[in-house]
Amino acid sequence: EVQLLESGGGLVQPGGSLRLSCAASGFTFARFVMSWVRQAPGKGLEWVSSISESGGDTYYTDSVKGRFTISRDNSKNTVYLQVNSLRAEDTAEYYCAKGGFVVRGVIISPTPFDFWGQGTLVTVSS
Amino acid sequence: EIVMTQSPATLSVSPGERATLSCRASQSVSINLAWYQQKPGQAPRLLIYGASTRATGIPARFSGSGSGTEFTLTISSLQSEDFAVYYCQQYNNWPPWTFGQGTKVEV
Repeated sequence: EVQLLESGGGLVQPGGSLRLSCAASGFTFARFVMSWVRQAPGKGLEWVSSISESGGDTYYTDSVKGRFTISRDNSKNTVYLQVNSLRAEDTAEYYCAKGGFVVRGVIISPTPFDFWGQGTLVTVSS
Repeated sequence: EIVMTQSPATLSVSPGERATLSCRASQSVSINLAWYQQKPGQAPRLLIYGASTRATGIPARFSGSGSGTEFTLTISSLQSEDFAVYYCQQYNNWPPWTFGQGTKVEV
């Protein structure tokens, strides 16, 4: 059974930082792209960042570029999101999700986000 | 960036009735379109991918159709557990991966 367990959220002041973690189990972690998707209170879903299987390629939505960093440790089956210079508008539930695309040889195929964690809440407020 | 637009924002239906939700993409996404269900306090769950393929464990009353820019999610006979918010998402052109704003299905 695929499980994704996020942690690391909390209350932080504007300008502050947090490190979100997502521990994965139930699948061969190193073979899959991992992503972060957030949801502001009462709002819709917004893709934030994705990282390739090896960690060599990373992708960010424009509003977080230069402030957020995604990384992964395949030996620990964990993906991270370092969130810096936090703003009030970053307040959201942050979900870890499996998927985005898959690479088979030279072919890159798009994939949906097929499994999601339960989320970790980041609140930015003074 | 591909903009996804869902309609209606809210759909009021009764248990046992059919629900039809629409999703439009600002440019073609082929069949790389997914639908997710989200219940209050829960994470989203993948329902449909490839525009029409049900994810593992999803009941047959959920069906998806469409290609290019126009897509539909149909729930053939609403059950009480189906009242939720539904999001469409394109994964054809990325980054960014983009979602619609959601359709709330309520009684």
